[in-house]
Amino acid sequence: ETGVTQTPRHLVMGMTNKKSLKCEQHLGHNAMYWYKQSAKKPLELMFVYSLEERVENNSVPSRFSPECPNSSHLFLHLHTLQPEDSALYLCASSQAPGQASSPLHFGNGTRLTVT
Amino acid sequence: GQNIDQPTEMTATEGAIVQINCTYQTSGFNGLFWYQQHAGEAPTFLSYNVLDGLEEKGRFSSFLSRSKGYSYLLLKELQMKDSASYLCAAMDSNYQLIWGAGTKLIIKP
Repeated sequence: ETGVTQTPRHLVMGMTNKKSLKCEQHLGHNAMYWYKQSAKKPLELMFVYSLEERVENNSVPSRFSPECPNSSHLFLHLHTLQPEDSALYLCASSQAPGQASSPLHFGNGTRLTVT
Repeated sequence: GQNIDQPTEMTATEGAIVQINCTYQTSGFNGLFWYQQHAGEAPTFLSYNVLDGLEEKGRFSSFLSRSKGYSYLLLKELQMKDSASYLCAAMDSNYQLIWGAGTKLIIKP
C-alpha cells in the first residue's frame, strides 16, 4: 500500500461508546496530523505529532485522545462524544511539521456520526 | 485575526476556463497552498506559491500577489472530473496553516 490509509471509513457511535480511529502512512514521513472537517467550515487542526512526540494540541476536548506509537501509525481514541463531534476526521502526514514547502498528504478520512 | 476568504461555490462549463480566488490575512506569510478534494475523498496537493507570480502546472495554474494578500487558481479546458472542492491555505509566520472553507466547483456539460 502507498499513501495514507485510514480506518474505518464510516463510524456510527452512541454518546457513551468508546471507539478508535486508525491512520497509517507509507510515505516515510516524520509528522502526522489529525484534522476535523465539518461541512462548509475550514479544516480544524486537532493534533500534530513529530517523530512520535505531540507538538501541538489545539485546545481539543479531552474526549479526543491521540496516540502515536511510531512514525507510521496514529490513532484517535474517542469516548463520550457529543452530536456536534459528527464530522469527517482526516489524518495527514508530511516530511516534517512546519516546513513551508512540505505539503500534507491526506487519508480519505473517517466519516463519524454521533447519535 | 487570521482569515482566508474564498467563494463558497462556482459553476463552469466543460471546456471553459475558471478562476477561483482566495484572499488571506495572516500574521506573517510563508506561502500559499491549493488542494483539490473530490467528494468523499482525501484532499490532494495541487500547488504551493511563496513568490509573486504565476506558476503553471498543466491545465492548472496558481497565482500569488503577496502585497495584495491574494491568490487564484486557474483551471483551463475544464473536464467533468474537475468537479470538486478547492481548498486554499496560507502558512503564517509560525508555519501554521490557515485554511479557507473551500470552493465547491460544479462543472456542467
